[in-house]
Amino acid sequence: SQTIHQWPATLVQPVGSPLSLECTVEGTSNPNLYWYRQAAGRGLQLLFYSVGIGQISSEVPQNLSASRPQDRQFILSSKKLLLSDSGFYLCAWSPGVGRSDTQYFGPGTRLTVL
Amino acid sequence: DQQVKQNSPSLSVQEGRISILNCDYTNSMFDYFLWYKKYPAEGPTFLISISSIKDKNEDGRFTVFLNKSAKHLSLHIVPSQPGDSAVYFCAASASGGGADGLTFGKGTHLIIQP
Repeated sequence: SQTIHQWPATLVQPVGSPLSLECTVEGTSNPNLYWYRQAAGRGLQLLFYSVGIGQISSEVPQNLSASRPQDRQFILSSKKLLLSDSGFYLCAWSPGVGRSDTQYFGPGTRLTVL
Repeated sequence: DQQVKQNSPSLSVQEGRISILNCDYTNSMFDYFLWYKKYPAEGPTFLISISSIKDKNEDGRFTVFLNKSAKHLSLHIVPSQPGDSAVYFCAASASGGGADGLTFGKGTHLIIQP
């Protein structure tokens, strides 16, 4: 069966510091991968998605970037965090183009920027 | 512009009764709809989905109804149980199996009263 991992689970970082959140998927190959953010009191906002290694699409302009160095690894980064980057970050995967739109989420990372 | 709307931020239902969660959408291109359940500090869990070629899908205690002409879908939970207390997100996709992310509503907090 497929599993999705995210780490760290929680993170407190000062404004201006760098960020690296990691997501890995097991038990599948060539998944679509996604990064979402849930800000306090709001729904889930899609940040990035990827259909393959090195292929990243961004949905909203922001202070963050994403990379996919391996088929089942998705990384969310920032060079300098802002207060507004605080939130709950979720990684998700789906089986791939033409197969299913259902996405499966990881446990999330709670990021607090102080 | 919110393309997926859940107009009830919260809903309180007595244990054993039916819970009905509603969702409206504005994008006519949406052709796949999903419901997710989310506990605090956890990732959303996929519950049930429906394709636009159907108007009803049932899985155990969960049934999703789709009214395409009204651009409305609902999730029925019968009977409601204490473990159903969570935030429920409605989501939609226009990709038809493509790689784009899902568009989420802001969620409805369901509280099951004993």
